Amino acid sequence: AQSVTQLGSHVSVSEGALVLLRCNYSSSVPPYLFWYVQYPNQGLQLLLKYTTGATLVKGINGFEAEFKKSETSFHLTKPSAHMSDAAEYFCAVSDQDFGNEKLTFGTGTRLTIIP
Amino acid sequence: DGGITQSPKYLFRKEGQNVTLSCEQNLNHDAMYWYRQDPGQGLRLIYYSQIVNDFQKGDIAEGYSVSREKKESFPLTVTSAQKNPTAFYLCASKPGQGLAQPQHFGDGTRLSIL
Repeated sequence: AQSVTQLGSHVSVSEGALVLLRCNYSSSVPPYLFWYVQYPNQGLQLLLKYTTGATLVKGINGFEAEFKKSETSFHLTKPSAHMSDAAEYFCAVSDQDFGNEKLTFGTGTRLTIIP
Repeated sequence: DGGITQSPKYLFRKEGQNVTLSCEQNLNHDAMYWYRQDPGQGLRLIYYSQIVNDFQKGDIAEGYSVSREKKESFPLTVTSAQKNPTAFYLCASKPGQGLAQPQHFGDGTRLSIL
């Protein structure tokens, strides 16, 4: 089974600073990877996904992530943080379990933006 | 607009009661999922259904039940056997087969015990 590790359950950055949220996965086959964002008392919204092809993936709201196979990582970045980026972020990997498709999530990283 | 509707947004349960959470989608998606979210634990899969009239247990199915009689509906019942039901419940769907397909989420139902 796949697993996802998000280093840092809480990350704080100043407004305008670089945002870096870390995600590592375990996979014996090429993975399909996703980043989702969750605002308080809401569902999850897809930020971006990696399937095949270009390893640098651009998403919504200025976020991007780079797939690094050698490091089994898919870290999320944004060059300049905005107050509206304050939310919880989840990394997920798509998996197949006895023919059934599932998403395995990391435990999430809560991003706080300091004015 | 197409989307996933979960109702109610807030739900309160007395001890010993069963409660049913509604999930309806008008995206014409084949697959639907129920997750439980607790602080610091991410999302854990309760049940999922890849086709009408068929569903499978996820990682934490004990104390829960589901049905999938219609493509657009996937209600979750939290039974009295679930000893710690207080959580945020999320429903999701996706078009069908394909690991590259992302799941789409509803806005959740928060369940509390009175």
